[in-house]
Amino acid sequence: EVQLLESGGGLVLPGGSLRLSCVASASNFSNQAMTWVRQAPGKGLEWVSVISGGGGATYYVDSVKGRFSISRDKSKNSVFLQMSSLTVEDTAIYYCAKGDFFGLDVWGQGTAVIVSS
Amino acid sequence: DIQMTQSPSSLSASVGDTVTITCRPSQIIHSYLNWYQHKPGKAPHLLISTASSLQRGVPGRFSGGGSGTEFILTITGLQPEDFATYYCQQSYQTPRTFGQGTKVE
Repeated sequence: EVQLLESGGGLVLPGGSLRLSCVASASNFSNQAMTWVRQAPGKGLEWVSVISGGGGATYYVDSVKGRFSISRDKSKNSVFLQMSSLTVEDTAIYYCAKGDFFGLDVWGQGTAVIVSS
Repeated sequence: DIQMTQSPSSLSASVGDTVTITCRPSQIIHSYLNWYQHKPGKAPHLLISTASSLQRGVPGRFSGGGSGTEFILTITGLQPEDFATYYCQQSYQTPRTFGQGTKVE
């Protein structure tokens, strides 16, 4: 069974940066769109960003534009989310997931990001 | 951005009940509507894509319908493992917004 594993979460000061990674257990993910979704404490799911299968197209929710950057490394079956200028509102569990138009059909278990002084 | 409005936000049900959750996008999204189940401490799980396409392995008691600006998720014969929060999501336009969730308890 194909799996996704996120890493890179942790505690960071407001204004700080973190880089989240998501590794796929199978190489056939390399041509699939990949998405990041987050869930803040006590809140619902929030779509954050998507990168196309080829890596040439990226999109973001307005609240992270200019601060977050999504990228991928096909040779490592990996997708990344570089986060900077973090605020307390970015505190959440961050999930990576495979897919886009036709739904997100494989999800990682999530990595926790806590922004606090 | 497309706003996704789910109703109800929570509901109380019993095993064997039929449960219906509605999702209304703020504009037409054709059939680019997906439904997820989310349990505490677990990753969300895709149940239905493109409004009515049941994902492989998802029990047949789950069904989806609708188009345009009204979509419905139905659980026919609620089972104990179905108590969870359900989200709709549009994949017609970025940002690919989720509804606020419906907690089935």
